[in-house]
Amino acid sequence: DQQVKQNSPSLSVQEGRISILNCDYTNSMFDYFLWYKKYPAEGPTFLISISSIKDKNEDGRFTVFLNKSAKHLSLHIVPSQPGDSAVYFCAASFAVRGGAQKLVFGQGTRLTINP
Amino acid sequence: DAGITQSPRHKVTETGTPVTLRCHQTENHRYMYWYRQDPGHGLRLIHYSYGVKDTDKGEVSDGYSVSRSKTEDFLLTLESATSSQTSVYFCAIRNPPGETQYFGPGTRLLVL
Repeated sequence: DQQVKQNSPSLSVQEGRISILNCDYTNSMFDYFLWYKKYPAEGPTFLISISSIKDKNEDGRFTVFLNKSAKHLSLHIVPSQPGDSAVYFCAASFAVRGGAQKLVFGQGTRLTINP
Repeated sequence: DAGITQSPRHKVTETGTPVTLRCHQTENHRYMYWYRQDPGHGLRLIHYSYGVKDTDKGEVSDGYSVSRSKTEDFLLTLESATSSQTSVYFCAIRNPPGETQYFGPGTRLLVL
């Protein structure tokens, strides 16, 4: 049962335009949502997060939107730059034993920015 | 940079042999995690630790065990490696009160 889904395996965007990456989830117990960026042969790098009590968070060119009623979040990148070409993972977290947080990841979307 | 190193970075082994991967952190973080990444699955949690000698299972823990005898090291052991355990393994840490997990560079494991 895939609790976090990224339905677009790939996305191609022109440099300077907006990139919109989408993510859907099924579990109402998730309390934080995060986006990670991953280059080949490297570990995932944290980009931006949002608490389940908010609907928007912005950090420079990156904005994350959360629609709780639709169980949907999106990452907007404006303007898109060639260095943004990477695989993007959304993840959702919930509290578990000992104060730890479990992360559940989507399958990833490969973003390609074309010059 | 969360001060995480993983060793080895690459390993080739044979089916049936035990394998241990090491995650080392230098900043005294309490929470540590092991994930595996496979095509079409994103990252999946294998085991996590919430303190020295305190560990619990994740969603894909079968065939794996972990140990944490000191704060800075979290070891992942494949008791008898199988070809289905060919994967890229990532260690992560979390430093409360934030919710963000920070990842190491990964270990690429090939089981022949």
